[in-house]
Amino acid sequence: GAGVSQSPSNKVTEKGKDVELRCDPISGHTALYWYRQSLGQGLEFLIYFQGNSAPDKSGLPSDRFSAERTGGSVSTLTIQRTQQEDSAVYLCASSLGQGQFRYEQYFGPGTRLTVT
Amino acid sequence: KNQVEQSPQSLIILEGKNCTLQCNYTVSPFSNLRWYKQDTGRGPVSLTIMTFSENTKSNGRYTATLDADTKQSSLHITASQLSDSASYICVVSGAGTYKYIFGTGTRLKVLA
Repeated sequence: GAGVSQSPSNKVTEKGKDVELRCDPISGHTALYWYRQSLGQGLEFLIYFQGNSAPDKSGLPSDRFSAERTGGSVSTLTIQRTQQEDSAVYLCASSLGQGQFRYEQYFGPGTRLTVT
Repeated sequence: KNQVEQSPQSLIILEGKNCTLQCNYTVSPFSNLRWYKQDTGRGPVSLTIMTFSENTKSNGRYTATLDADTKQSSLHITASQLSDSASYICVVSGAGTYKYIFGTGTRLKVLA
């Protein structure tokens, strides 16, 4: 079946503009995760969804970042008033459920965001 | 602070040779450790997963080891192929949490 998909694959935006990144998880996966991968850094957890609710938003770096999930499926990560330090690859992952190793996280290909 | 550190940062080897990548972690209490392979422009793909009671796990030419006492893991790649060129990421989960803690990865390049 289809894996996790993300769009766009690349996004170049001017500083101060808003951007929306989309994630389509694997069908039937109830848990969805957003990560950020900056150059030379490990993946950084941003937010986790179980269904449409986000019990853990602790990784969002500032109030310019927000995310939502609708219909227990598609998720959108929005970055308002983008800054150059927001430039990174944003990865989405989904899993059948949350919790430890029983539920493997499957990653999408990522969206490369460049803020000029 | 829970951390996962990997070495070396990068590695170049000739096709057909073996190599070993290292991972040290301080995550506690420990639940499980994964090795992921990330091709350029792709998301990470899981290679192996080990719990504290397992000390070795193989997946084809990839063999991972775990020493939960010293909090160290290694990934050994046998008879490397050009397609092994990628970043290899060590990921640790703590007990009672779904969160993954990612290392910064080892970038492997296999030359013909």
